[in-house]
Amino acid sequence: GAGVSQSPRYKVTKRGQDVALRCDPISGHVSLYWYRQALGQGPEFLTYFNYEAQQDKSGLPNDRFSAERPEGSISTLTIQRTEQRDSAMYRCASSLDGSGNTIYFGEGSWLTVV
Amino acid sequence: EDQVTQSPEALRLQEGESSSLNCSYTVSGLRGLFWYRQDPGKGPEFLFTLYSAGEEKEKERLKATLTKKESFLHITAPKPEDSATYLCAVQAPDTGNQFYFGTGTSLTVIP
Repeated sequence: GAGVSQSPRYKVTKRGQDVALRCDPISGHVSLYWYRQALGQGPEFLTYFNYEAQQDKSGLPNDRFSAERPEGSISTLTIQRTEQRDSAMYRCASSLDGSGNTIYFGEGSWLTVV
Repeated sequence: EDQVTQSPEALRLQEGESSSLNCSYTVSGLRGLFWYRQDPGKGPEFLFTLYSAGEEKEKERLKATLTKKESFLHITAPKPEDSATYLCAVQAPDTGNQFYFGTGTSLTVIP
């Protein structure tokens, strides 16, 4: 696609429910990144992939968070047993590869846990 | 220690009043320093990439420069439409090749 596409744009879920956030990167981009952004803050790294391989998941807050990119294209960030503190903007970005190439962001998925 | 520090946190300028935003970094082996603009409710929009000290890039009223320890985003004769949050990010082996972002500078240009 022309840009990074994320869905849903807005998600309200009840505490304890699982949520899945989807990212469709720019066509041909090898690297895909997940970030979380709080209001007034810069994006905070969660995890990234080259192709289907998860290269770094050091930013995932705890084991309720997981991500996959099984075919090296679309990625899903899953949060299990959501808690109110998980409420945030979740942003996906992609780049041609991971070697100093620019990353391009999607519009984000705004998650609210009630 | 923060790897990327941006200053000031917020900046108010009169239209036409030039100024600079600062991004200082502590990583070694910089692979790239990136500037983004972010409007409220939107994703960060790419502006510039700088790779080595001494490099400069320009786009309209914006010019980005890079030294071994910091980058400046110079804004010449800003207009109200330049109001946004400006983010910088670094990528380096120190950061695990992640892109590590600063907290941004919120710029307001008053007509």
